[in-house]
Amino acid sequence: EAGVTQFPSHSVIEKGQTVTLRCDPISGHDNLYWYRRVMGKEIKFLLHFVKESKQDESGMPNNRFLAERTGGTYSTLKVQPAELEDSGVYFCASSQNSGNTIYFGEGSWLTVV
Amino acid sequence: GESVGLHLPTLSVQEGDNSIINCAYSNSASDYFIWYKQESGKGPQFIIDIRSNMDKRQGQRVTVLLNKTVKHLSLQIAATQPGDSAVYFCAETVHSGTYKYIFGTGTRLKVLA
Repeated sequence: EAGVTQFPSHSVIEKGQTVTLRCDPISGHDNLYWYRRVMGKEIKFLLHFVKESKQDESGMPNNRFLAERTGGTYSTLKVQPAELEDSGVYFCASSQNSGNTIYFGEGSWLTVV
Repeated sequence: GESVGLHLPTLSVQEGDNSIINCAYSNSASDYFIWYKQESGKGPQFIIDIRSNMDKRQGQRVTVLLNKTVKHLSLQIAATQPGDSAVYFCAETVHSGTYKYIFGTGTRLKVLA
């Protein structure tokens, strides 16, 4: 069974540009999460989807970040326009049921220069 | 040690010795806890979990201990191996309308040959 997959694995963009990160959760997992780890700090919650609905987006830093999950399958996280402080690793995770183990992808490593 | 800025607490252990990684969690209502291992360049990988109705759970070479009185979680790794070198994160699960997973800052484990 395939795990959580993320694309791209690495991205280097200039300040002001746009980047779109994609996450494919484990098949059958209704719950999809986005997290971010910046400069070796803790893993911080961004938002949580249940199927196509945003269950909790309290961790989204500002309106430059837009997450979607049309059709309740894969999700995208767009950063527009990117700022230097957006650099970090963006992790996607999924779970079958909320409150159980969440499984992470390998992360999308974003560098804004 | 304390986590200051970019510096993760680091535990250095001789190969073959036992490792104990500690984590303090914040919410007394948390009812599910998970330990993750993150190797360099990879996403967090599930190691072991424990629910709040237990105080100890054992896996293969790993044991998680939960002390709800002082809100403390620990991960014990027996006979530490070089492949155990990684950053270890604990996560607590809090239910407030929806389940939220809150991660600690992480502890870097270095295994000395």
